[in-house]
Amino acid sequence: ETGVTQTPRHLVMGMTNKKSLKCEQHLGHNAMYWYKQSAKKPLELMFVYNFKEQTENNSVPSRFSPECPNSSHLFLHLHTLQPEDSALYLCASSQSFTGEFHGYTFGSGTRLTVV
Amino acid sequence: TQLLEQSPQFLSIQEGENLTVYCNSSSVFSSLQWYRQEPGEGPVLLVTVVTGGEVKKLKRLTFQFGDARKDSSLHITAAQPGDTGLYLCAGSYSGAGSYQLTFGKGTKLSVIP
Repeated sequence: ETGVTQTPRHLVMGMTNKKSLKCEQHLGHNAMYWYKQSAKKPLELMFVYNFKEQTENNSVPSRFSPECPNSSHLFLHLHTLQPEDSALYLCASSQSFTGEFHGYTFGSGTRLTVV
Repeated sequence: TQLLEQSPQFLSIQEGENLTVYCNSSSVFSSLQWYRQEPGEGPVLLVTVVTGGEVKKLKRLTFQFGDARKDSSLHITAAQPGDTGLYLCAGSYSGAGSYQLTFGKGTKLSVIP
């Protein structure tokens, strides 16, 4: 399978639940990203991993916890979320910095609703 | 903080019309990209522009990068219903070994048959 695959596509969780979002890519990319997309806001960068190492944490609350076991898989662990965390969570991958940038490949996203 | 302003925010036109959307910033980017996002899906890359003044064409879509590499425009000729979607511009910069993108809020385009 090619491209970036995100699961689940939809998730409804209570504020006391713990859940995880999964992202998988088979493009040979070494950088992976989590973005949050809310209505009326630009995509917000949350975390960046380069060769499995976290290189960016964009002031994200600790109730979001990323994990990158290898260059092909990325997780976002969620616990004690707030209703304002409801959004579309997008995973993306790209080449690492090697000169020419060919853009991000995004997954289809997980639509998260916190109740 | 690098910000990208996109205009207009919303655009509704009839099939066959032409349109232009804009992306402006006070910052210089190493490259600028345009993505299209359809409902329930992730953004899909349309084009990357790198050189100031560069013009790229993708069928009925024409992309231009400003001379100072701070702004860009997307022109669609003879719009079709399949062009409907959210158009996002994103400026790239290098950070800690990987490329990072700053996105605008997008232009939501509706093409009415």
